[in-house]
Amino acid sequence: DQQVKQNSPSLSVQEGRISILNCDYTNSMFDYFLWYKKYPAEGPTFLISISSIKDKNEDGRFTVFLNKSAKHLSLHIVPSQPGDSAVYFCAASPSGNTPLVFGKGTRLSVIA
Amino acid sequence: DSGVTQTPKHLITATGQRVTLRCSPRSGDLSVYWYQQSLDQGLQFLIQYYNGEERAKGNILERFSAQQFPDLHSELNLSSLELGDSALYFCASRAGQGAYGYTFGSGTRLTVV
Repeated sequence: DQQVKQNSPSLSVQEGRISILNCDYTNSMFDYFLWYKKYPAEGPTFLISISSIKDKNEDGRFTVFLNKSAKHLSLHIVPSQPGDSAVYFCAASPSGNTPLVFGKGTRLSVIA
Repeated sequence: DSGVTQTPKHLITATGQRVTLRCSPRSGDLSVYWYQQSLDQGLQFLIQYYNGEERAKGNILERFSAQQFPDLHSELNLSSLELGDSALYFCASRAGQGAYGYTFGSGTRLTVV
């Protein structure tokens, strides 16, 4: 039973355009959500997070939106750059004491 | 360099064998987490240690075991290896139980032949 789902295995976007990566979750106890980025031959690195008391968090070109009623979050990257090409993982946790639950990832390719 | 060190980076071994993967957490981090990433799978949680004690178990097979030592480094032991155990194994650490974000190591790629 997958509690965090990233239904798009891959996404291609032109440089300069917006990239939108989606994530759905089933566990209503999740109250903190994170996005990680992973390049080949490296471990995942933290990108941005949001707690359930907010519906939006912004950090430079990256914005995460949370829709609790729909159990859906999305990561927007504007403008997309070739260096953003990586696998993006959505993760969630019900509290700081419990391990993160990850989705399967979405491979983003930004084409110059 | 994330500060989390995993060794070895690559490991090739035969079915039925036993291997040990090692992880040194970031300085000051007490929690260590092990995750497995198989082909087309996300990061599957295996086990968590906090300051030497096991705190949570995920989808870890009985053939797998782990421990965290007094110096806080951790080892993941995989025995009676099968072809399906081939995967990337990641270790992550975080400062305390109240912190949400992990810092990951670069992983150990295990190939069972």
